[in-house]
Amino acid sequence: SQQGEEDPQALSIQEGENATMNCSYKTSINNLQWYRQNSGRGLVHLILIRSNEREKHSGRLRVTLDTSKKSSSLLITASRAADTASYFCATLQTGANNLFFGTGTRLTVIP
Amino acid sequence: GAGVSQSPSNKVTEKGKDVELRCDPISGHTALYWYRQRLGQGLEFLIYFQGNSAPDKSGLPSDRFSAERTGESVSTLTIQRTQQEDSAVYLCASSFRLAGRADTQYFGPGTRLTVL
Repeated sequence: SQQGEEDPQALSIQEGENATMNCSYKTSINNLQWYRQNSGRGLVHLILIRSNEREKHSGRLRVTLDTSKKSSSLLITASRAADTASYFCATLQTGANNLFFGTGTRLTVIP
Repeated sequence: GAGVSQSPSNKVTEKGKDVELRCDPISGHTALYWYRQRLGQGLEFLIYFQGNSAPDKSGLPSDRFSAERTGESVSTLTIQRTQQEDSAVYLCASSFRLAGRADTQYFGPGTRLTVL
């Protein structure tokens, strides 16, 4: 499979704590994106990091990319109950037209 | 502005019937994608349209699956002779894609297909 793999598969934390999710992939990429999905329906784009970038921030989100290890991490700081969702990483592989999605991390934030 | 819309939101059909799923992309987006998501799993790429270029059909799982797009507007995904393993959420996404780049994909709410 060319999909990425997220780790952990499920994560449960208390509100206010930080949540870290990891993504590994297999081939060279153009960019890596993180998406959020509520209730198994439409995905919402969170952040995109290009292959020549190492870190990116957006509000409470921080994404890192290590192309030498073919891995990325998503950090959500000061989590809220509303952050409860599934989070997917997706890679645009070099020369490809479509995104390859990982299997997702199910995050539960307990109020 | 309006986002990506899909219809129907839910479809229940009997094994062996044909179904047609519709996607209206964001106006001006040249790229359109179809994905399938089985319960508890990630998204599987099905097909990609970019402008007037030939579609990338490399993800279609069998010849029972086909899709069309008229110009840079509506797309329909057709599944013929549905099987129970076709049960999934079918997601459509669009993006404003420049050559050599891939922009953010905007997803529709999906169509939940149940084959009895």
